[in-house]
Amino acid sequence: ETGVTQTPRHLVMGMTNKKSLKCEQHLGHNAMYWYKQSAKKPLELMFVYSLEERVENNSVPSRFSPECPNSSHLFLHLHTLQPEDSALYLCASSQDLTLQYEQYFGPGTRLTVT
Amino acid sequence: LAKTTQPISMDSYEGQEVNITCSHNNIATNDYITWYQQFPSQGPRFIIQGYKTKVTNEVASLFIPADRKSSTLSLPRVSLSDTAVYYCLVGDRSYNKLIFGAGTRLAVHP
Repeated sequence: ETGVTQTPRHLVMGMTNKKSLKCEQHLGHNAMYWYKQSAKKPLELMFVYSLEERVENNSVPSRFSPECPNSSHLFLHLHTLQPEDSALYLCASSQDLTLQYEQYFGPGTRLTVT
Repeated sequence: LAKTTQPISMDSYEGQEVNITCSHNNIATNDYITWYQQFPSQGPRFIIQGYKTKVTNEVASLFIPADRKSSTLSLPRVSLSDTAVYYCLVGDRSYNKLIFGAGTRLAVHP
């Protein structure tokens, strides 16, 4: 238990569906992150938020839309995904951006796009 | 960011000490060395961080020689539950981007 929870843990969606991934951290951290981990590939940083403000967007397709309503919650809205978007999506948090070296990761959402 | 090189995989047996070495020839003065552990279908977990010499915590030890061009993560008396992927990362404390490489896949056998 890292203090970072993600729901759902598993998600199967069609290419025309709209779904959202939710992340919540109970650590009082100010920075939150979304990562994508595809099979046999390293983790890819997708988005970085600091105090609810997006500070990094790593050329992620617009079919992925993040939202950070407060410092404890982070969402990833998904629409018209492609089969190659199937992956493990991980949320993480850190005390703040100056301490990114120690991130606390959630268990991830295993996404399958059919 | 300094590039890191570590073995793709390692095998060990229960009760043995495991040492995983990471090379980072281009490490900068302000860079720290950080190791993460990832179990299958879980997020990575921070294990240890160091700058020079030796750091030890309840999980592992990190040995860093004087030239800091490499580092060794040492896991004492491994068990089956230590089977995981271990990542070596190098960057300043803000780690503008926490970049994970392929890591070292450690398999511990009975």
